Amino acid sequence: AQSVTQPDIHITVSEGASLELRCNYSYGATPYLFWYVQSPGQGLQLLLKYFSGDTLVQGIKGFEAEFKRSQSSFNLRKPSVHWSDAAEYFCAVGYNNAGNMLTFGGGTRLMVKP
Amino acid sequence: KAGVTQTPRYLIKTRGQQVTLSCSPISGHRSVSWYQQTPGQGLQFLFEYFSETQRNKGNFPGRFSGRQFSNSRSEMNVSTLELGDSALYLCASSKVTSGSPGRQYFGPGTRLTVT
Repeated sequence: AQSVTQPDIHITVSEGASLELRCNYSYGATPYLFWYVQSPGQGLQLLLKYFSGDTLVQGIKGFEAEFKRSQSSFNLRKPSVHWSDAAEYFCAVGYNNAGNMLTFGGGTRLMVKP
Repeated sequence: KAGVTQTPRYLIKTRGQQVTLSCSPISGHRSVSWYQQTPGQGLQFLFEYFSETQRNKGNFPGRFSGRQFSNSRSEMNVSTLELGDSALYLCASSKVTSGSPGRQYFGPGTRLTVT
């Protein structure tokens, strides 16, 4: 069965520090990969997506992610974190011929220290 | 352009009752998906509707059902509510209707509490 793993449940970084959130997936074919962010009491907002092509994708709010097929990973990065980045981050995978059905990871809660 | 709207935002029901949640997609979006979010199970896909037809279904019991109307608005229904159905129910709409996933826009969710 397809699955998505986010190994870090909580991460705390200082404002201005760099950030990397890990995501590993299990799927036989090339996946469609997404990163979403959820602020308290809000729905999910898409940060970026990877379907094919360049394995380094740029998203909104200064985030980027790199698809590494050999490691089945799609880690999210940001060079300098802002206090407003504190939220929960979800990695998700979709599949060809499965419409808009997504499988989500368990999420990583990011806290930002001043 | 208005975003995805969900009503009601909060709901309290008693075990055994049934509930209907509503989702209005972004204008022009024909695909609507539903997800359940709980602290224990995380985000889980319930079902997707496109052109009034259920296109995909997650691993939930038959108590969970949905439908889509000709204007793309969607409703989901949960019958015989259980305490474990307490969750945030998220709706997402997408313009992409091919067999592959596209960008989805999520609503703020309906917080259902079952007592």
